[in-house]
Amino acid sequence: EAGVAQSPRYKIIEKRQSVAFWCNPISGHATLYWYQQILGQGPKLLIQFQNNGVVDDSQLPKDRFSAERLKGVDSTLKIQPAKLEDSAVYLCASSRTGNPNEKLFFGSGTQLSVL
Amino acid sequence: AQSVTQPDIHITVSEGASLELRCNYSYGATPYLFWYVQSPGQGLQLLLKYFSGDTLVQGIKGFEAEFKRSQSSFNLRKPSVHWSDAAEYFCAVVGSGGSNYKLTFGKGTLLTVNP
Repeated sequence: EAGVAQSPRYKIIEKRQSVAFWCNPISGHATLYWYQQILGQGPKLLIQFQNNGVVDDSQLPKDRFSAERLKGVDSTLKIQPAKLEDSAVYLCASSRTGNPNEKLFFGSGTQLSVL
Repeated sequence: AQSVTQPDIHITVSEGASLELRCNYSYGATPYLFWYVQSPGQGLQLLLKYFSGDTLVQGIKGFEAEFKRSQSSFNLRKPSVHWSDAAEYFCAVVGSGGSNYKLTFGKGTLLTVNP
């Protein structure tokens, strides 16, 4: 089966600019996650969708980050305006139903550098 | 809230030697525990998981992990390491937050394999 697709692979922007990342999960997967992985740390959950509804966005900096999953399939994560501390790899993952015993399938990530 | 500690930031082993990566968790109830591996430039891949039952779980690529409730540990082991095992390894725990189950990662252990 096709994996989780993410684009772009790399992005370099200046602080205060805006940026958007795209994710297409595995077909049929109801649950989609965005994680932020800062260098030297483990991934941190930013937002979790169940179909097109938000389940958890408690760690999403809502003053600058936004995400949507229209039609419950692919998703976009946006940062506006970006700060230096947003430099990280942004990982998208999906799972079939979102049950806690399920395996997450991860994309390769988008590496963001904010200068 | 749940948390995961991986005490070793970086471990170096020789090819063919045995490996043990440590993981300690903090969670009030019975945890769901996972080990993921991340190779350079790739997304995370599930190695194994524990939910209940036998405390010694087998995973892919010859890895195994043992759940020890008394020590709040879930250490990953492999009897003989191959050069292709060089990667970063993340322990993770699922905890409940109301109706949502959130996967929390440790900071990772980077494994270097010497020839």
